[in-house]
Amino acid sequence: DGGITQSPKYLFRKEGQNVTLSCEQNLNHDAMYWYRQDPGQGLRLIYYSQIVNDFQKGDIAEGYSVSREKKESFPLTVTSAQKNPTAFYLCASSPSGTQSLNYGYTFGSGTRLTVV
Amino acid sequence: DQQVKQNSPSLSVQEGRISILNCDYTNSMFDYFLWYKKYPAEGPTFLISISSIKDKNEDGRFTVFLNKSAKHLSLHIVPSQPGDSAVYFCAAVRGTSYDKVIFGPGTSLSVIP
Repeated sequence: DGGITQSPKYLFRKEGQNVTLSCEQNLNHDAMYWYRQDPGQGLRLIYYSQIVNDFQKGDIAEGYSVSREKKESFPLTVTSAQKNPTAFYLCASSPSGTQSLNYGYTFGSGTRLTVV
Repeated sequence: DQQVKQNSPSLSVQEGRISILNCDYTNSMFDYFLWYKKYPAEGPTFLISISSIKDKNEDGRFTVFLNKSAKHLSLHIVPSQPGDSAVYFCAAVRGTSYDKVIFGPGTSLSVIP
């Protein structure tokens, strides 16, 4: 079954630590995205990648970093520079081009990160 | 400044009746609009989309209406079922790729049996 796998489902981080959230897809999608969800707010784009070895900052990239070494994988690192990292993080993927607009993103089931 | 607004944080509807979820936007340059449904602790799933050149798109029990002059769209679910209880996100896209998607804050729908 094709889909997106995010791990872990829950993650606890101490202040000052970096953590990496995993995102893997087997849909053969070119584009991948990281979003953050906070209560009462829409999803906000952190980073996106439209092709291997290339990625762009989204609206709230500060304090985060990504890599795209393989088509299937787009890990997100939440660094100690991120001032308020406690949130629900969602990874998504889509085909490239206009055809994708008829089908929407495919989202993973998310990782809830809590700073303790 | 929110470009995509869903002014009702929550909505309750009786099973079998119509659910109407509303969404307003401020940017007239959006080209596509999408609706996503999200259950707790899961990722959103795509429901239906509409191009800015259309005013209606229908898929089974779900219909999306677009009023460009009012910068307003709505999602109608008929008949509503208890399994429809979820958070619904409205989203808007500038251009033709998803790197320009703006999501609204969501509306939580409860369908009462």
